Amino acid sequence: EPEVTQTPSHQVTQMGQEVILRCVPISNHLYFYWYRQILGQKVEFLVSFYNNEISEKSEIFDDQFSVERPDGSNFTLKIRSTKLEDSAMYFCASTGGVSTDTQYFGPGTRLTVL
Amino acid sequence: GQNIDQPTEMTATEGAIVQINCTYQTSGFNGLFWYQQHAGEAPTFLSYNVLDGLEEKGRFSSFLSRSKGYSYLLLKELQMKDSASYLCATTGGGYNKLIFGAGTRLAVHP
Repeated sequence: EPEVTQTPSHQVTQMGQEVILRCVPISNHLYFYWYRQILGQKVEFLVSFYNNEISEKSEIFDDQFSVERPDGSNFTLKIRSTKLEDSAMYFCASTGGVSTDTQYFGPGTRLTVL
Repeated sequence: GQNIDQPTEMTATEGAIVQINCTYQTSGFNGLFWYQQHAGEAPTFLSYNVLDGLEEKGRFSSFLSRSKGYSYLLLKELQMKDSASYLCATTGGGYNKLIFGAGTRLAVHP
């Protein structure tokens, strides 16, 4: 069964450093999303991406964040200068040919900012 | 704005039935999802309702009333492995971002 994959599973970084979180969505999917979940809190939407551009972003997704689909398979989230409060689980999700389809989540990357 | 309410915690006994309620207020609505999340893991899809009524899927059923902004997830024949958080989420807007509730932590006891 196809699945969304994410690397790394755990990333530890120093405050102020740049991190890139990687995702490989399900191969025939067209809509891609990033969510985050701070420990003990709810899952929060960050950004949606369709047709090689951002389609919607939340207030959390400020200028420190960017997304890219550098090739036909990868979807990346970059945080330019990490802050302590960026520590969270970051989930990538994708959905098929219609945006109302079910979103399938990757296993997540746990980001720890020291 | 968007607001989703669900109970924080519930407990139930193995083999029993439990109903997890969710109420929502949303500025746009394209459907309601239920996801299961075990601690430290990703949400996994359980069910989707876009029309009023009951959707049954094995041991899990989900109900939606759009006029009342209300949904519930019904879990039958509870098993220990059903101990997890259950997330209610609505979708809206052109690209259907998911807006999640805080989740209901279900503990199943023998």
